[in-house]
Amino acid sequence: DVKVTQSSRYLVKRTGEKVFLECVQDMDHENMFWYRQDPGLGLRLIYFSYDVKMKEKGDIPEGYSVSREKKERFSLILESASTNQTSMYLCASSQRTGVTDTQYFGPGTRLTVL
Amino acid sequence: DQQVKQNSPSLSVQEGRISILNCDYTNSMFDYFLWYKKYPAEGPTFLISISSIKDKNEDGRFTVFLNKSAKHLSLHIVPSQPGDSAVYFCAASARNFNKFYFGSGTKLNVKP
Repeated sequence: DVKVTQSSRYLVKRTGEKVFLECVQDMDHENMFWYRQDPGLGLRLIYFSYDVKMKEKGDIPEGYSVSREKKERFSLILESASTNQTSMYLCASSQRTGVTDTQYFGPGTRLTVL
Repeated sequence: DQQVKQNSPSLSVQEGRISILNCDYTNSMFDYFLWYKKYPAEGPTFLISISSIKDKNEDGRFTVFLNKSAKHLSLHIVPSQPGDSAVYFCAASARNFNKFYFGSGTKLNVKP
């Protein structure tokens, strides 16, 4: 059974703080993803990684960075949090077989930036 | 510009009846489609998928229909149960893509 865990379920930060969101998967998946979910906008891809130390920008990377030092762990970093980054953040992972694969999601982190 | 659209933000259905959730896409390169279900305070969970070589895929109470010419897919839930109440997202991708495009979601409420 695939398990994707995220370090926090709820997080409250102040404007300007540096924020780290951690994601860990236990299925040896190559691909990992960070999304944010906002009402009426669905899931929007922030960054993804298809291998250790590799990263690619998604649709809305501005204001975010990522780190993947180990295969099982993918971190999302908000260098200087702003109120418009208040959102639900979802991490996902998938196996890479050359064909599109099902993504498995973590439970999400509800981030509030005051 | 959203490439995958779910134009109905919400849907209410009586228990035992059919729920039909719709999804439209614009990119003709898409050849793989999925539906995810999301409960509050949980991450989305995979429900059912369909490849463009098919026009229907069935899994128990859930059936996904794909109309390539109309660039439209739909998810049918028969019979609907209160436990099906959740937000449903459709997603699309293609063989050469390395990411999925998600719709904005439809909140389904199944009334007992």
